[in-house]
Amino acid sequence: KAGVTQTPRYLIKTRGQQVTLSCSPISGHRSVSWYQQTPGQGLQFLFEYFSETQRNKGNFPGRFSGRQFSNSRSEMNVSTLELGDSALYLCASSLAASGSSYNEQFFGPGTRLTVL
Amino acid sequence: ILNVEQSPQSLHVQEGDSTNFTCSFPSSNFYALHWYRWETAKSPEALFVMTLNGDEKKKGRISATLNTKEGYSYLYIKGSQPEDSATYLCAPLGSQGNLIFGKGTKLSVKP
Repeated sequence: KAGVTQTPRYLIKTRGQQVTLSCSPISGHRSVSWYQQTPGQGLQFLFEYFSETQRNKGNFPGRFSGRQFSNSRSEMNVSTLELGDSALYLCASSLAASGSSYNEQFFGPGTRLTVL
Repeated sequence: ILNVEQSPQSLHVQEGDSTNFTCSFPSSNFYALHWYRWETAKSPEALFVMTLNGDEKKKGRISATLNTKEGYSYLYIKGSQPEDSATYLCAPLGSQGNLIFGKGTKLSVKP
């Protein structure tokens, strides 16, 4: 069974640009969550999508948005990039929505975004 | 909003040592506790999902306990091996329905 895949793996952008990251979950998984990790910080929750609907959103500005397609693949978009957006962006998929107590998440390898 | 604390921040042990680390969080508004292991250059991998007070999980040399009333969980590694070197993350599941990750404990095991 293929794991969670993320593309691209590395990305370099300049301030003011926008970027789209992609996440393909494990086959059969309907939930995709996105996280940001910056140096010295834990994984910060961005949002979760389940069956094409945003279920939950973390404390990030509106420049961060996402969507999920009918095949459960998800994209995350960051507009008007800032230097502080440089981070590792991880997505994780699970069978059920994250509110299910027993629902472990399976993480992708991440996209390393550098904003110059 | 849950505030998740993990201690120690980092730990250096010799091969064969047993070790443990702590995850603490507010005991209210909590539904489950996840532990993940994150090795360098790899993806975080789930170790345990715990839901009940007094719950104890074990996988090989690694075990975890959960105290929901006082808001803490311990992760134990018996006879540490170099391949145990990783960052160990805990993540309570809060009332909003998403995991809230601590900053992790970075374990280094020297042969």
